[in-house]
Amino acid sequence: RKEVEQDPGPFNVPEGATVAFNCTYSNSASQSFFWYRQDCRKEPKLLMSVYSSGNEDGRFTAQLNRASQYISLLIRDSKLSDSATYLCVSDRGSTLGRLYFGRGTQLTVWP
Amino acid sequence: NAGVTQTPKFQVLKTGQSMTLQCAQDMNHNSMYWYRQDPGMGLRLIYYSASEGTTDKGEVPNGYNVSRLNKREFSLRLESAAPSQTSVYFCASRPGQGLYEQYFGPGTRLTVT
Repeated sequence: RKEVEQDPGPFNVPEGATVAFNCTYSNSASQSFFWYRQDCRKEPKLLMSVYSSGNEDGRFTAQLNRASQYISLLIRDSKLSDSATYLCVSDRGSTLGRLYFGRGTQLTVWP
Repeated sequence: NAGVTQTPKFQVLKTGQSMTLQCAQDMNHNSMYWYRQDPGMGLRLIYYSASEGTTDKGEVPNGYNVSRLNKREFSLRLESAAPSQTSVYFCASRPGQGLYEQYFGPGTRLTVT
């Protein structure tokens, strides 16, 4: 079983829609969490870090539920430019600095 | 501000040939990583280096070797390329653990025929 599991999608939504992605992690020692965005044939880039009580950045809201070991990403008022693959990521907090990536959830926003 | 750079961007090899993928970062990060990404498989860690002089195996190390030449550079070597190694390879670096971002290079697209 992968350390981080995501629904691969694809999610196809119209512009302006709200869409939510969930992700679960298996290692209770995981301490830090992130959402990365990856455009087609490009490198992953950080979308947002996930703080313990959840956090918001414009149209994006990330939440963490340690008891259930899941992380969510909510995108409001979807734009065409939000079309990408979203990667859920965890960090166990070891000094090795290794991150654990989910396989990604594909989002397509249509006009 | 270069960040993480990788060379080459594209490469075609014949089965059995060898090559080295180069990676360098100019952010003074301690940790560096090599991943491969295949359709439907997500990012898979090949090798990583927590600090200069140390390397560790990731999920899929077979068929690869690495060298952490200094703090800036981390190379990945394929000694005898196989078609199963056709993939996109990403190098990444990170300052350390915690809420620190991992920065990726632009990737190398490798085809082994």
